[in-house]
Amino acid sequence: GAVVSQHPSRVICKSGTSVKIECRSLDFQATTMFWYRQFPKQSLMLMATSNEGSKATYEQGVEKDKFLINHASLTLSTLTVTSAHPEDSSFYICSAPHNEQFFGPGTRLTVL
Amino acid sequence: DAKTTQPPSMDCAEGRAANLPCNHSTISGNEYVYWYRQIHSQGPQYIIHGLKNNETNEMASLIITEDRKSSTLILPHATLRDTAVYYCIVRVAPGNTGKLIFGQGTTLQVKP
Repeated sequence: GAVVSQHPSRVICKSGTSVKIECRSLDFQATTMFWYRQFPKQSLMLMATSNEGSKATYEQGVEKDKFLINHASLTLSTLTVTSAHPEDSSFYICSAPHNEQFFGPGTRLTVL
Repeated sequence: DAKTTQPPSMDCAEGRAANLPCNHSTISGNEYVYWYRQIHSQGPQYIIHGLKNNETNEMASLIITEDRKSSTLILPHATLRDTAVYYCIVRVAPGNTGKLIFGQGTTLQVKP
């Protein structure tokens, strides 16, 4: 099956700093990618749809100025958590459609 | 997309069949039933999907009732590695680049 990678797999940062998470489709092109967030013992919550060549579409309640999304190419989307705070600590997962949805392995963000 | 209802948790003995039910009484004629699973601290993994006929692949079987209002995912010989959260999602046709909305899923615990 198709492969989606994420980098880094784990990141710890200080409160107030910004963190960038990369999502890559390794063997296919994706004009659309999706970003999810998952808190402990909860389901995945869709944050935004990343669109190559245009602005991302954010779900209701997700701050677009805090979670910056850039779909730089047909194989790369980045999520930047700006001015991170402890409540942003979560598991961030991206996905890309290629017939089915293929998910990255996730990035665990811990904000101290 | 139609809403789905799944039991929050189930147990299964190792080596036995695991039958995971899903209700989707408001499913539309052009909506498929998809199953994904998420092993702890990993990204979700596609399992199988179907429209109205029963489907089988190397991972599982999908049984859809004639009225399409419910379905059952069958893992024929569950192993400890099948312990995961299983998500039933109803959405329009394969190849659609649309987003996936996750419910709470069923936590399957396979016991030795």
